[in-house]
Amino acid sequence: GEDVEQSLFLSVREGDSSVINCTYTDSSSTYLYWYKQEPGAGLQLLTYIFSNMDMKQDQRLTVLLNKKDKHLSLRIADTQTGDSAIYFCAERGTGFQKLVFGTGTRLLVSP
Amino acid sequence: EAQVTQNPRYLITVTGKKLTVTCSQNMNHEYMSWYRQDPGLGLRQIYYSMNVEVTDKGDVPEGYKVSRKEKRNFPLILESPSPNQTSLYFCASRDRDRGQETQYFGPGTRLLVL
Repeated sequence: GEDVEQSLFLSVREGDSSVINCTYTDSSSTYLYWYKQEPGAGLQLLTYIFSNMDMKQDQRLTVLLNKKDKHLSLRIADTQTGDSAIYFCAERGTGFQKLVFGTGTRLLVSP
Repeated sequence: EAQVTQNPRYLITVTGKKLTVTCSQNMNHEYMSWYRQDPGLGLRQIYYSMNVEVTDKGDVPEGYKVSRKEKRNFPLILESPSPNQTSLYFCASRDRDRGQETQYFGPGTRLLVL
């Protein structure tokens, strides 16, 4: 079945760039998503990319997709302490209903 | 303001005592779903609904029921809760409009089954 993997933890200093990585197994993935979860809150959809794109930029966020290697990354430029959270990637195939989530990467930003 | 609301936010109960977690969205989204979040496992889909009176099982439906009698509401029912259903539960709604996808998650319901 489908599987999505993420590293568990990332620590960066304020002002640096953060890169959170994700790998997936479903070759029929059509959309890939990034979410942010702050303590005590639900998930917030940050951005998503269609599988025929290589890159998408949205302000401080850059998503890179390597479809051949089934690798997705989220780069946060000029990381701030408010970016500290858990970040989830997810993928969906051709059906709209099913999202498969990774286990989440906890990002800690220190001053 | 677009939002998904869940109630209750926290619940402690005992094995076998039926409970319902409510979920409501105000965006007129057709698609709603329930997830559980457990440490080291990410989010797993329990049930989803494509529209009123249309529901289907996700990856971990055992021990849960849902209903979709109105577009805005999608309650999660645990007929006979067991300790392995102790978890953090999220309701979500999604839709597509002119090629753009929107998704909203509720704030979560933390359930402890003793």
